[in-house]
Amino acid sequence: DAGITQSPRHKVTETGTPVTLRCHQTENHRYMYWYRQDPGHGLRLIHYSYGVKDTDKGEVSDGYSVSRSKTEDFLLTLESATSSQTSVYFCAAGTGDTEKLFFGSGTQLSVL
Amino acid sequence: SQQGEEDPQALSIQEGENATMNCSYKTSINNLQWYRQNSGRGLVHLILIRSNEREKHSGRLRVTLDTSKKSSSLLITASRAADTASYFCATDAVQGAQKLVFGQGTRLTINP
Repeated sequence: DAGITQSPRHKVTETGTPVTLRCHQTENHRYMYWYRQDPGHGLRLIHYSYGVKDTDKGEVSDGYSVSRSKTEDFLLTLESATSSQTSVYFCAAGTGDTEKLFFGSGTQLSVL
Repeated sequence: SQQGEEDPQALSIQEGENATMNCSYKTSINNLQWYRQNSGRGLVHLILIRSNEREKHSGRLRVTLDTSKKSSSLLITASRAADTASYFCATDAVQGAQKLVFGQGTRLTINP
């Protein structure tokens, strides 16, 4: 998907464990985003980054943290996973402010 | 809260017919975008229309924007089975840019 790679593609974990999802892009996009997709809620923004080490919160940021130490990598961390964080997580990247976004294929996360 | 809301939530038509989906939003925008999501995949950008544009075409896609009514429509002409997917509108806000807000989507099914 246009140079956006998410890993892992699927993960099952237990409540209370830390989880890190990785997004890697090859197109040198400045902006990167983490969304979660749930039935009845569409896509909701968790965190986003507007440059290396520059991040900000989205609509549903509680329980999540992010880091961006290199242009190409954007990590999403669930410090202590809860069942409510079971979801499909999408990473996206773009060149300009809210211009066209390119999405990864998603990570299906199940927290038991 | 969702900025964009699609209508209908689900649409089923015969191959060859036209499909129309609508999106309403709440606040002033810079641009509005439409994305497609095939089952189990990431979102793919279809078309972007800016707030000073009223209509835009791309192949079999036609998008209209009515900023006075805060609404947009996506028309897919001569539908094909491969058009079966979920379609999302996404908007930014004039203030607080850098973030796209997605609606909940319209699930389109094209019957052969």
